[in-house]
Amino acid sequence: DVKVTQSSRYLVKRTGEKVFLECVQDMDHENMFWYRQDPGLGLRLIYFSYDVKMKEKGDIPEGYSVSREKKERFSLILESASTNQTSMYLCASSLGAEPEQYFGPGTRLTVT
Amino acid sequence: AQSVTQLDSQVPVFEEAPVELRCNYSSSVSVYLFWYVQYPNQGLQLLLKYLSGSTLVESINGFEAEFNKSQTSFHLRKPSVHISDTAEYFCAVTGGGAGGTSYGKLTFGQGTILTVHP
Repeated sequence: DVKVTQSSRYLVKRTGEKVFLECVQDMDHENMFWYRQDPGLGLRLIYFSYDVKMKEKGDIPEGYSVSREKKERFSLILESASTNQTSMYLCASSLGAEPEQYFGPGTRLTVT
Repeated sequence: AQSVTQLDSQVPVFEEAPVELRCNYSSSVSVYLFWYVQYPNQGLQLLLKYLSGSTLVESINGFEAEFNKSQTSFHLRKPSVHISDTAEYFCAVTGGGAGGTSYGKLTFGQGTILTVHP
């Protein structure tokens, strides 16, 4: 079974802090994705990566950056957290051109 | 550009009643379609998918969905729901055959919360 893990289930940070969300997958998948989930808006793509050190902006990249130094790990960075970044963050991975994505359990981030 | 519309934000039903969760999509290319389910405090799990072939696809727990190209729909149905089906359901689409240009980027609908009452 594909396993996608996220470093924290719940996180509380203060406005202006730098926040790192970590995601690790164990199935040698090329593609990794970061989404945020908000009620009534579904999932929106923040960034994705199709190879080590490669990244592309999704639909809502503003205020976020990413890092992929190793194939199995994809990090989402909030350079200066703001209250409007309070949300559920979901990481996913997929294999090559296969369309199916596998999701982690999510990190619920609260910025106060 | 692709988009997905889930027509109902909340669907309350009684146990053992039938249910239909509606999903419409727009896309300029051929598509792959998915339904994901999210149980409380969990990540998303794939429920079923349409990639090609038979337009009627089924899940192991009794859900089915039918791809209707003319109506650009992929509605999810179950003839008799259980309390344990209470969850949020997401419809998603990606461009079929786009290969490396899309890397399987999914576009999600807004989600439908299914609540099954005893």
